[in-house]
Amino acid sequence: QKEVEQDPGPLSVPEGAIVSLNCTYSNSAFQYFMWYRQYSRKGPELLMYTYSSGNKEDGRFTAQVDKSSKYISLFIRDSQPSDSATYLCASYSGNTPLVFGKGTRLSVIA
Amino acid sequence: DARVTQTPRHKVTEMGQEVTMRCQPILGHNTVFWYRQTMMQGLELLAYFRNRAPLDDSGMPKDRFSAEMPDATLATLKIQPSEPRDSAVYFCASGLQTDYGYTFGSGTRLTVV
Repeated sequence: QKEVEQDPGPLSVPEGAIVSLNCTYSNSAFQYFMWYRQYSRKGPELLMYTYSSGNKEDGRFTAQVDKSSKYISLFIRDSQPSDSATYLCASYSGNTPLVFGKGTRLSVIA
Repeated sequence: DARVTQTPRHKVTEMGQEVTMRCQPILGHNTVFWYRQTMMQGLELLAYFRNRAPLDDSGMPKDRFSAEMPDATLATLKIQPSEPRDSAVYFCASGLQTDYGYTFGSGTRLTVV
């Protein structure tokens, strides 16, 4: 079992929909949680990060971590075609490199 | 915008040949990572360096892969001999030890035939 599990999708939604992307992790030592966005044929780029449990909001994006259930979520409000990409969750404990999920491929249809 | 530069962007080679991938990390970043991405396995850590010293290369097949940082502006990943199962996108990323997240390069897409 990988330390970070993520449903690969693909996920297809109409423009304007609310998107929910989710991951689970198994390592209780993980304290930092991140979401990366990867466009086709590009490297991943950091979208958001959170420390420990709680929510963090940045524009249309909200990251949520529930450490009690080891659950990581990313919500995208008013989704746009430009949000079409692969979204990767990642976690680490602070002393070790990031461990990534496999990524969820999202398509937002105009 | 500071960025991580990887060369070459694409590489097609025959089985058994040596492949060298290069990475120029962001100036001032002291931690450099090599990841490999495939559809089946996703992003897997191969090796990483801090202040040019190798910290962990347990993700690499030791008999054929080697990673080095000859200086602070260059990291290399070498495969010798290459095999078809090495076909993947290889990413270099750099960051600061105390920073959150890394900056990734655009990757080297390797095809071994």
